[in-house]
This record gives sequence, structure tokens and C-alpha cells, in this order.
Amino acid sequence: AQKITQTQPGMFVQEKEAVTLDCTYDTSDQSYGLFWYKQPSSGEMIFLIYQGSYDEQNATEGRYSLNFQKARKSANLVISASQLGDSAMYFCAMSPAIAGGGNKLTFGTGTQLKVEL
Amino acid sequence: DAGITQSPRYKITETGRQVTLMCHQTWSHSYMFWYRQDLGHGLRLIYYSAAADITDKGEVPDGYVVSRSKTENFPLTLESATRSQTSVYFCASREDMTGANVLTFGAGSRLTVL
Repeated sequence: AQKITQTQPGMFVQEKEAVTLDCTYDTSDQSYGLFWYKQPSSGEMIFLIYQGSYDEQNATEGRYSLNFQKARKSANLVISASQLGDSAMYFCAMSPAIAGGGNKLTFGTGTQLKVEL
Repeated sequence: DAGITQSPRYKITETGRQVTLMCHQTWSHSYMFWYRQDLGHGLRLIYYSAAADITDKGEVPDGYVVSRSKTENFPLTLESATRSQTSVYFCASREDMTGANVLTFGAGSRLTVL
């Protein structure tokens, strides 16, 4: 079974500052994928970034980067130069990375980020 | 319009009534999913489907029924709604591919059971 833990229910950051959202995971799978999704107040789920367990480089997508520390089983999301539009709920998720096995995308409980002026 | 659409977006019903939430995608994605979102639980998988006529249970399937007679549609039915099923329901789909399991989500259906 896979488990995702997000220990920060809420976070505040000032505009233009960087912020790290924590995510730890537990799995017995050798190969897996890690994801971050953003949910603004409008409610839709927006895919942000993906990291494969065998990827040696940390994933980056614009202002988003995933700080992947396999030995520590952590996959923290770093948002650089925060903007007011980054205020949202952020979910960490994982799935097995096998053909057809990505059926069970497991989500954490989320972190509510508020960006302040 | 291309994409994944859910209907209704908002629904209020009473305990014991049958409710069906619809999900339609235009990409011909093989995989489709139903999740429910509750405070403190994140998103939990209810059912998923790998193709037409192939469905399987997720983490919280009790009280729900799904069908998939056509690739593009994946309705979720609450046969006898209970208050504990008050939630926001998300449908999602993805291509049949290896590697990254990036799901695309619908806008969600907010269900209130009185």
C-alpha cells in the first residue's frame, strides 16, 4: 500500500518569496511516480509537476521544482518567486509506475498555501 | 468542447434517493476514474475503469456503482444516498501509457445529501 503524508495543513508566504511544501511518502514499490496538483478556490485540479523514482535529476517546471530525496522518501514542492495566484490547496500524490498500474493514484491531505502582499 | 466534463456541477438530494453523476471525456482516453474529496482525507479513489466494460474498485467503493458501456462516458451512481456521501466528486481520465500517470480532472460535482 502507498501512503502520502503532508504535515502542513496551512502555510503563509510573502509575495516574491520562495516556499517549500512538504511531502513524505511510503511505498514498497521499487518504481513509482510522484506528482503535485494545485487546487485553486475555483475547485479544479491542476497538474503541476511529476517525478519518476528513477529520475536522477529533480523535476522542474517553470517556477515549480520537486526536491526529491529518495532515501528520505520525501518529494517536497518548491515554488520560487511566489505570486498571489499561487494561493491554493496543493496535493502531493503518488502511483506505481508500471504499465497499467497507475490506477491507484494516492493523494495526501493537502496543504493550503496563502500568498500575502 | 474538448476535455472532460461532469454533470451536474451541484446536486442536493435526500437520504435514500438514487443519484447519478455523469462524466464525459472527448479524448478517447482508456482510463477513467472517480474520486471523492473530503476535508482531512484529500482525494480518495472510488472506482476506476481501464476500458469500456472493464471497471474495478478503488479505496472507498461501498455505496457506489459504476458502468462504462462507452469509452467516453463513466457515470457514477449512488443507489441509495447517505449523508456520509456528501462530498465533492471528481472524474479524471488519462491515456493508456506507461510512465507518468498524469490525470486530467473534471471540474467536480458537489453533492449534498440531506
